[in-house]
Amino acid sequence: DGGITQSPKYLFRKEGQNVTLSCEQNLNHDAMYWYRQDPGQGLRLIYYSQIVNDFQKGDIAEGYSVSREKKESFPLTVTSAQKNPTAFYLCASRGISQSGYTFGSGTRLTVV
Amino acid sequence: KQEVTQIPAALSVPEGENLVLNCSFTDSAIYNLQWFRQDPGKGLTSLLLIQSSQREQTSGRLNASLDKSSGRSTLYIAASQPGDSATYLCAPGAGSYQLTFGKGTKLSVIP
Repeated sequence: DGGITQSPKYLFRKEGQNVTLSCEQNLNHDAMYWYRQDPGQGLRLIYYSQIVNDFQKGDIAEGYSVSREKKESFPLTVTSAQKNPTAFYLCASRGISQSGYTFGSGTRLTVV
Repeated sequence: KQEVTQIPAALSVPEGENLVLNCSFTDSAIYNLQWFRQDPGKGLTSLLLIQSSQREQTSGRLNASLDKSSGRSTLYIAASQPGDSATYLCAPGAGSYQLTFGKGTKLSVIP
């Protein structure tokens, strides 16, 4: 079955560490997105990519980095510069223009 | 900047009732609008996608309408069931096909 796989499901980070969240899709979608979800707030866009080797900052990109070396993969790195990284992170993809989004099951990141 | 408001923030109904969830958005220049369902600790599941040229979409007991000019969408759930309990999110899609999300409506269906 086609879909989006996020791993790990739970991730713990120590202060000062960089961590990378994985997002893989086998839907042959061109566009991929990373959102952050905090309690009581809507999802906020971190980064998005519409084509391989190209990506743009979203509303809250500070302290995060991404790469898009393959169409199927869009990993997100949470750097030590992100002061409040504890959140639920969701990856999504979209196919042809004006088609709907498909979301992964999320990664919950906790700073310990 | 697009702003999305969902009313009510929470709703509790007895099983079998029909209900309506409301979504309003400030920028009517959208390509489409998507309704999602989110269970606690899980990702988002797409329920319905309405293109800007459409007025409504139906899937089973769900019906979503879109009034683009007034910046409103509604999600109608018929004959609600306890399994419908979840948070429902609406998200209009605009520039670069980015979605903007509301904070959601948390629905509880009481058996």
